[in-house]
Amino acid sequence: QVQLVESGGGLVKPGGSLRLSCAASGFTFSDYYMSWIRQAPGKGLEWVSYISSSGTTVYYADSVKGRFTVSRDNAKNSLFLQMNSLRVEDTAVYYCARWGSSTYRPIDYWGQGTLVTVSS
Amino acid sequence: EIVMTQSPATLSVSPGERATLSCRASQSVSSNLAWYQQKPGQAPRLLIYGASTRATGIPARFSGSGSETEFTLTISSLQSEDFAVYYCQQYNNWPRDFGPGTKVDV
Repeated sequence: QVQLVESGGGLVKPGGSLRLSCAASGFTFSDYYMSWIRQAPGKGLEWVSYISSSGTTVYYADSVKGRFTVSRDNAKNSLFLQMNSLRVEDTAVYYCARWGSSTYRPIDYWGQGTLVTVSS
Repeated sequence: EIVMTQSPATLSVSPGERATLSCRASQSVSSNLAWYQQKPGQAPRLLIYGASTRATGIPARFSGSGSETEFTLTISSLQSEDFAVYYCQQYNNWPRDFGPGTKVDV
């Protein structure tokens, strides 16, 4: 069965960095587009980043552009999010999510999330 | 950028009643619209995609309709496990933003 397991969250000071990882299993990882989506405490869902199946195309929300970098290692079935220059407003649960295997398909699987807290 | 709105923000209903949730896009997204359900402490779950197709394992009491800019999620007879927050999301254009959500409670 499809599994997405995030790790790497924690407490970090403003201006600091953190690297999130997502371990994928139960499907051919290299066939799927992937995203990071976050949810601040008590708030709604915010799409953060997208990476194509090959890793050649990436998109970012304006709120994280220039600070966050998404990448993937298809040989290790892993997705990453490097977060630099973190701000208090980046505090959220970060979900790893799988898009369907073609352009116009929704997110069909989500991980359980990892909490990132940015505070001094 | 396409702006997604949802109404109402909160919907108070009783078990067994019908619930109707609305989602609006600021410009056409064709039928590339999904609905997700999220319960407290859990990740979202895909309910509906293509505006009207139920995802695998989703009960028939959930139905979706609409196209272009106006969409509706209907829960025909609310069960206790359906009390949750529901989000719509367009996947026609980037950024693929979510609506702000509708909370369905008692």
